[in-house]
Amino acid sequence: KAGVTQTPRYLIKTRGQQVTLSCSPISGHRSVSWYQQTPGQGLQFLFEYFSETQRNKGNFPGRFSGRQFSNSRSEMNVSTLELGDSALYLCASSLRAGTYNEQFFGPGTRLTVL
Amino acid sequence: QQQVKQSPQSLIVQKGGISIINCAYENTAFDYFPWYQQFPGKGPALLIAIRPDVSEKKEGRFTISFNKSAKQFSLHIMDSQPGDSATYFCAASMYSGTGTASKLTFGTGTRLQVTL
Repeated sequence: KAGVTQTPRYLIKTRGQQVTLSCSPISGHRSVSWYQQTPGQGLQFLFEYFSETQRNKGNFPGRFSGRQFSNSRSEMNVSTLELGDSALYLCASSLRAGTYNEQFFGPGTRLTVL
Repeated sequence: QQQVKQSPQSLIVQKGGISIINCAYENTAFDYFPWYQQFPGKGPALLIAIRPDVSEKKEGRFTISFNKSAKQFSLHIMDSQPGDSATYFCAASMYSGTGTASKLTFGTGTRLQVTL
């Protein structure tokens, strides 16, 4: 069974640009969560989607947005990029929504903002 | 109140030794405590998890000890091996209603190095 895939794996953008990251969950998984990982702030929750609806949102500015498609694939978008947005963006999928459902992480997309 | 505090930041253990990583939380609504292992270039992978109704859970060489009254939990890696060298994250989440996934609140991570 294929794991969580994220594309692209690496991305370099300049300040002010926007970026879209993609996540394909494990087949059959319907919940997708996004996390930002930085050396300074660690792993922080961005948002979570289930059945194409955002169910939960972390403390990030509105420049960070996402969506989920009917096939459970998810995208996240960051507009007006800032230097501080440089991070590893991780996507995690789980079979169902709700506590105790193991979240499986993808390898991440490394975003560098110059 | 949403924080999970993790220590130590880094740890060096000899092969065969016991690695111990500690975490503490404030929010008593947390009801699921997983530990994740992350190798360079990879996403975190679930190692072991515990719910607050038990005080200990063991899976192979990995054990979680949970102290509900102290709001602390720890990961013990017995017979540590060089292949265990990785960054370990504790996390916590709480039930947020039917149909919603659990947001994981992570500790800051512990970089473990197991030497020969």
